[in-house]
Amino acid sequence: KAGVTQTPRYLIKTRGQQVTLSCSPISGHRSVSWYQQTPGQGLQFLFEYFSETQRNKGNFPGRFSGRQFSNSRSEMNVSTLELGDSALYLCASNSGGNTGELFFGEGSRLTVL
Amino acid sequence: AQSVSQHNHHVILSEAASLELGCNYSYGGTVNLFWYVQYPGQHLQLLLKYFSGDPLVKGIKGFEAEFIKSKFSFNLRKPSVQWSDTAEYFCAVKKANAGGTSYGKLTFGQGTILTVHP
Repeated sequence: KAGVTQTPRYLIKTRGQQVTLSCSPISGHRSVSWYQQTPGQGLQFLFEYFSETQRNKGNFPGRFSGRQFSNSRSEMNVSTLELGDSALYLCASNSGGNTGELFFGEGSRLTVL
Repeated sequence: AQSVSQHNHHVILSEAASLELGCNYSYGGTVNLFWYVQYPGQHLQLLLKYFSGDPLVKGIKGFEAEFIKSKFSFNLRKPSVQWSDTAEYFCAVKKANAGGTSYGKLTFGQGTILTVHP
């Protein structure tokens, strides 16, 4: 069974640009969560999608948005990039089972110059 | 909202030493608890999880953790570490209902970097 796949793995943008990151969950998983990982803040929850609906949202500004498609694939978008948005963005999928275990992808490393 | 506190930012040990990483959470209700590990250059992987039953849970690679509800703690232990255990370790908590089904976001601690010298 393939794991969680994130694309692109690395990208460099400049301030003011926007970026879209993609995540394909494990086959059969309907829940997708996004996290931002930085050395200073650790793992911060962005949002969770389940069956194309945003189920939970973290404390990030409206520049951060996401969506989920009918095949459970998810995208997140960051508009008007700031230097502080440089981070590793992690996607995780969940089967929807009782224990809430998340399976993580390798992440998309965004550098904002 | 729940929060997770990991006591140590960086732990340095020699091979064969015993390990205990502290984790406390703040939420008065039922929880599911997790320890994840991130080896250098790799993705986050689940080490072990607790959702009900025996508070002492065993995970992969000889790790175990004990859930002490009265102390809101879920400390990670290993009797004898190896060089290959060098990694960053994250404790995480998720709310659960009375039946043990988790809901809401998974909240992580700040992480503990473990360095094991051969």
